[in-house]
Amino acid sequence: EAGVAQSPRYKIIEKRQSVAFWCNPISGHATLYWYQQILGQGPKLLIQFQNNGVVDDSQLPKDRFSAERLKGVDSTLKIQPAKLEDSAVYLCASSPLRGTSTYEQYFGPGTRLTVT
Amino acid sequence: AQKVTQAQTEISVVEKEDVTLDCVYETRDTTYYLFWYKQPPSGELVFLIRRNSFDEQNEISGRYSWNFQKSTSSFNFTITASQVVDSAVYFCALSEPSGTYKYIFGTGTRLKVLA
Repeated sequence: EAGVAQSPRYKIIEKRQSVAFWCNPISGHATLYWYQQILGQGPKLLIQFQNNGVVDDSQLPKDRFSAERLKGVDSTLKIQPAKLEDSAVYLCASSPLRGTSTYEQYFGPGTRLTVT
Repeated sequence: AQKVTQAQTEISVVEKEDVTLDCVYETRDTTYYLFWYKQPPSGELVFLIRRNSFDEQNEISGRYSWNFQKSTSSFNFTITASQVVDSAVYFCALSEPSGTYKYIFGTGTRLKVLA
């Protein structure tokens, strides 16, 4: 079974530029998560989708971050305009629709963003 | 409020030593899940274990073992006979099954196993 795919793996941009990250979850997984992991910290949830609807975006800086999950499969996270403090690893994770024992999240390799 | 504390920022051990990574959590819910993930240098978080709040049995998987104690709100992780390949950052996380199932992560413990 293929894991969570993310691209690009690395991105360097200047502040005030825009950037987009792509995620393809594990086939059949209804729930998709985007996390921000700043160096030396644990991942912080930015947004959670159930199919193509947003379940939780309470920690998403909506003035500059946006995300979509068209057709309930792939997802894109965008930052516009980027700030220096956005430098981090952006992790995508997916999990099956809630069941009797399926609460684990499966993570992709992440995209390391450097804003200069 | 939910919170996960991993007080050990970094631990260094010599290969074949045993090492325990501590995790202390806070939650008001009676039903919750606890997780451990490993993050090797490649960056991908790898699932290690899930434990629900109603199951306090300790678990062993090869060289890995987990000690869950509700009385002290702790979910500690022990690696026996550590190996260089165990070097990574280890995260403990808490999730409540009501609502959004989102994870609250600790700040992680960096384990360095020296040859």
